[in-house]
Amino acid sequence: GIQVEQSPPDLILQEGANSTLRCNFSDSVNNLQWFHQNPWGQLINLFYIPSGTKQNGRLSATTVATERYSLLYISSSQTTDSGVYFCAGREGAQKLVFGQGTRLTINP
Amino acid sequence: NAGVTQTPKFQVLKTGQSMTLQCAQDMNHNSMYWYRQDPGMGLRLIYYSASEGTTDKGEVPNGYNVSRLNKREFSLRLESAAPSQTSVYFCASTGTGSINEKLFFGSGTQLSVL
Repeated sequence: GIQVEQSPPDLILQEGANSTLRCNFSDSVNNLQWFHQNPWGQLINLFYIPSGTKQNGRLSATTVATERYSLLYISSSQTTDSGVYFCAGREGAQKLVFGQGTRLTINP
Repeated sequence: NAGVTQTPKFQVLKTGQSMTLQCAQDMNHNSMYWYRQDPGMGLRLIYYSASEGTTDKGEVPNGYNVSRLNKREFSLRLESAAPSQTSVYFCASTGTGSINEKLFFGSGTQLSVL
């Protein structure tokens, strides 16, 4: 099966900083998605981005499917951005494979 | 709109006990999933149901059974709980077709098996 590798595993920043999270895939994937798990454990879908670039407020994501990677950009970080960010891609008909996550800590 | 609803939120079992985790979605989604999340292991797929009446094994199905009761509901059963099944369980759902492929999660069930 495909392997999903996220980097960095941990990231600590001051409020207001910008960050880039990366997701690499070992093979072609469909349905690339980014999720945020907040400190209370809730998983929120940030982006469905099989290719191209999307923006939602301070967050944007870019997927280059031909080169098997996706990037999540967070600008002007806030403490509420803290948590774990997961990417996932679909292998086969119905199975999404998740990366191990990037733990982001935003200090005030 | 409630989205994906899971019950219970917390559960403590003794080894060998059985229980069923309930999941329901109100988004008219065809596909539903059960994941478990363990520290350092990310999210792993237990079972999924591509449509009403069908279920398939995921990455870690041993010790679990599922039932797709109807289009809305997908339950996960532990017949004889083991300490290795201590985890946080998430139910999720997606529609069909590229626009509807976003995965939506329930709020999770924290299960401890003693």
